[in-house]
Amino acid sequence: QSVLTQPPSVSGAPGQRVTISCTGSSSNIGAGYDVHWYQQLPGTAPKLLIYGNSNRPSGVPDRFSGSKSGTSASLAITGLQAEDEADYYCQSYDSSLSGSNVVFGGGTKLTVL
Amino acid sequence: QVTLKESGPVLVKPTETLTLTCTVSGFSLSNARMGVSWIRQPPGKALEWLAHIFSNDEKSYSTSLKSRLTISKDTSKSQVVLTMTNMDPVDTATYYCARNGGWFDPWGQGTLVTVSS
Repeated sequence: QSVLTQPPSVSGAPGQRVTISCTGSSSNIGAGYDVHWYQQLPGTAPKLLIYGNSNRPSGVPDRFSGSKSGTSASLAITGLQAEDEADYYCQSYDSSLSGSNVVFGGGTKLTVL
Repeated sequence: QVTLKESGPVLVKPTETLTLTCTVSGFSLSNARMGVSWIRQPPGKALEWLAHIFSNDEKSYSTSLKSRLTISKDTSKSQVVLTMTNMDPVDTATYYCARNGGWFDPWGQGTLVTVSS
């Protein structure tokens, strides 16, 4: 069970907007740690999509955007395209009495209908 | 261009020790703002962070796997090495290394390690 909770799957038709949530707690996202997002196309390594909650690396289309509020973060994809079909992971940092760890969400599979 | 490439055995037996090497290019392991992490992904499952090494040789480990992991680096060879002891079939996964400057970018292609007798 992942420290960060994501919906297992989301879907949308081409051109639509979808959002993927990433819910944490007071020991990770709520503690002020940044959230980063990765896209993993089938059979490939993950690729950085959003860093520092809402920043896009060069080359990432502006159809992808990130936000963070309280103990949660979200990834939004507008103008959905077939090539967006992939697994998406959020990542942050968790610090508690049991120790400190980099933590990932369980991943969300995006299906483009 | 920054690249990372993992290498190591594709098959290990239960109880054996796994040694993986990450060879980097396009940046130096002595760069004060950068480090290298190891992350794994069992087939069909989520990503799991394992360990990180910083440019000053400071190390950080997953609390759940700390007793089994050792990370080190050879700056002259541009290599980061991860060892994991007492391998078990549940450790079967694709193991990735990635540059860590606060977030993971870029990632290596990954190497699939199967644990089986």
